[in-house]
Parts: sequence; structure tokens; C-alpha cells
Amino acid sequence: EAQVTQNPRYLITVTGKKLTVTCSQNMNHEYMSWYRQDPGLGLRQIYYSMNVEVTDKGDVPEGYKVSRKEKRNFPLILESPSPNQTSLYFCASSPPGTGTQKLFFGSGTQLSVL
Amino acid sequence: GQSLEQPSEVTAVEGAIVQINCTYQTSGFYGLSWYQQHDGGAPTFLSYNGLDGLEETGRFSSFLSRSDSYGYLLLQELQMKDSASYFCAVRAAGNKLTFGGGTRVLVKP
Repeated sequence: EAQVTQNPRYLITVTGKKLTVTCSQNMNHEYMSWYRQDPGLGLRQIYYSMNVEVTDKGDVPEGYKVSRKEKRNFPLILESPSPNQTSLYFCASSPPGTGTQKLFFGSGTQLSVL
Repeated sequence: GQSLEQPSEVTAVEGAIVQINCTYQTSGFYGLSWYQQHDGGAPTFLSYNGLDGLEETGRFSSFLSRSDSYGYLLLQELQMKDSASYFCAVRAAGNKLTFGGGTRVLVKP
């Protein structure tokens, strides 16, 4: 089944403890991206990647890192999480020829930073 | 930067028609897309407009006017399962994708 897989689904951590949220897609998509969703603010793009080893900042990149060593994986790294990073996170990928606008989303990761 | 405006909430009855407007301000423009998100779920792609005009997909249609920096999503023959949040999104220069704040649609019997 074609899908975007995120893990974990839920994560509770403490301030300053490094964490990684994994994202993997099996559709051979070149474009991948990360979003956070907060009530009343919609989805805000954190980082995106047009292809392997090519990443760019979105609208809210501060406090986050990403890497794209393989086409299928695009992990989101929080080196020193803070409470203001408590949010619902979504990974997404997009097939070529859609202007990166037809996104397939993962199920989401609800992160709580205490 | 980019900004998108859409109404926060719309209520309608089953069988009715709902139009969700989206106005945008962007530096560069490469298209407008729409997503549906049910409570507790992930957004799912509904439609994309790269050029002016109407795109129809079943009960849902989307319209774009680039000269007016405006688009809308039209939901026809509303069903209870259409109760969800709907987001417009714009791709601007640099491949960034910006979403609107979302419109919560409540369908009543």
C-alpha cells in the first residue's frame, strides 16, 4: 500500500532531551516536507526537501533539523526541545508533476514537551 | 511573506451547497490547492488549480482567479461525512507551501 509512515504516533518528552521523529514514504516521491499544526494557525511548513541531500527552510524552521540521506526517509530532529514545540506534526510527500501541491500526509505525531 | 484568509467556520444542512473562499497574498504564485481534514486525522488532498477557472471532482469543485488573488472550494450535495476542516494552500516562489488557517464545516441533518 502506498503510504507515508510516521513514528511515533504520540511522544511525551522533557525539555532539552533530543528526539527524532521518523518519516518514510514508499512511493518514490522526490519532494518531502514537515509541518506543524497548532489550533487556529493551520499547518505551517518547517522544512522541505526537493530531493536527496537537498533541504530548505520553510516558514518556521527554528529549533528543528532535518536530513535527507535517502529518497524514502526524511527524519525531523529536535536537538533541544522546548515546550513551545508541543504540537501536532505531519510529514508529507508529493509526486513529480504536481508542483509539490498534491501532498500525501502521514498520520501525524502528537508531541508534548514538558 | 505569504498570507491566506479563509472563514473560520461555516454551518449548513445536508444537501446544501457551501462555498469556502480563500484570498491570498504571495510573492510569486504557482497554484492553489485544497485539503480536507477530519478531526483526529491527517489532511487529504482534494484539488489543485494552477490556472484560472473551475476544476470539478465529483461533488467538490475548486475555482481560481489569479488576477483577483482569490479562489474557492465548492461543496455540493453536502453529506454528514463532509463535516471537517478545509484548508487552502498556496505554493509561492522557492517551493514553500503556505496553508490558510482552515475553515471548519459543520453539516447538520
